[in-house]
Amino acid sequence: KQEVTQIPAALSVPEGENLVLNCSFTDSAIYNLQWFRQDPGKGLTSLLLIQSSQREQTSGRLNASLDKSSGRSTLYIAASQPGDSATYLCAVLRSSGSRLTFGEGTQLTVNP
Amino acid sequence: ETGVTQSPTHLIKTRGQQVTLRCSSQSGHNTVSWYQQALGQGPQFIFQYYREEENGRGNFPPRFSGLQFPNYSSELNVNALELDDSALYLCASSPPRTGSYNEQCFGPGTRLTVL
Repeated sequence: KQEVTQIPAALSVPEGENLVLNCSFTDSAIYNLQWFRQDPGKGLTSLLLIQSSQREQTSGRLNASLDKSSGRSTLYIAASQPGDSATYLCAVLRSSGSRLTFGEGTQLTVNP
Repeated sequence: ETGVTQSPTHLIKTRGQQVTLRCSSQSGHNTVSWYQQALGQGPQFIFQYYREEENGRGNFPPRFSGLQFPNYSSELNVNALELDDSALYLCASSPPRTGSYNEQCFGPGTRLTVL
C-alpha cells in the first residue's frame, strides 16, 4: 500500500527566503508525481507534474525534483512571497488512469 | 481555471439524509475521480469512473455511490449521512489514456456539512 508523507507539516518564513518542501513515498513504482497548491477552503491547483522517467520540472520560481529510487520529491520555491502562502500537497499516481495517493500537505506561511 | 466545475459550492445536511454532488469534467476527459478531504488532511480517493463504469474504489462504504453520464459529467451520491461525512468533496477529470501524460485536473470542490 502506497503511503505519502510530507515534511514539515507547517512552515513559516520571511518574505524573500528560498525554501524546500519535502515529500516521500513508500512504493517507488509510480507513474508520475504531482505537486498541488490549495488555498483555504478551495480546490487543488496543479503546480508541477513529473513523469517517472524525469528528474525535475520547473515553472517560474518553482522547481520540483524526483528521485524514484529513494522515494523522494522536493518542491523548491525561490524568493518566496506572501502570495505563496497556502497548503502544498504532493500526490503520486501508481499507473496511468489509477488513483492519486496524497500526502497530508505542508501549510506554508510567508510573512511580509 | 481547469475547466472542471462542481455544484453546489456548499451544502448543509442533517444526519441520515441523502445528498447528490455534481461534477462537470473538462472537455475531452473521459475519466473522473472523486476524493474526500477532511479538514487538515490530504484528499482520500473514493472511486473513479471511466466510460460510465466504476473503475476502482477506495476504502469507502457502499452508501457512497456514483454515476458518470455519456457527456462525462458525474454524480457522487451519499446515503444515510453521518457526521464524519462532513468534508470537502473534490472531483478530478483526466484525459484519455494515451501516451505518457496523465494529469488530473481538479474542480473547486463542494463543502458538505452534516449536522
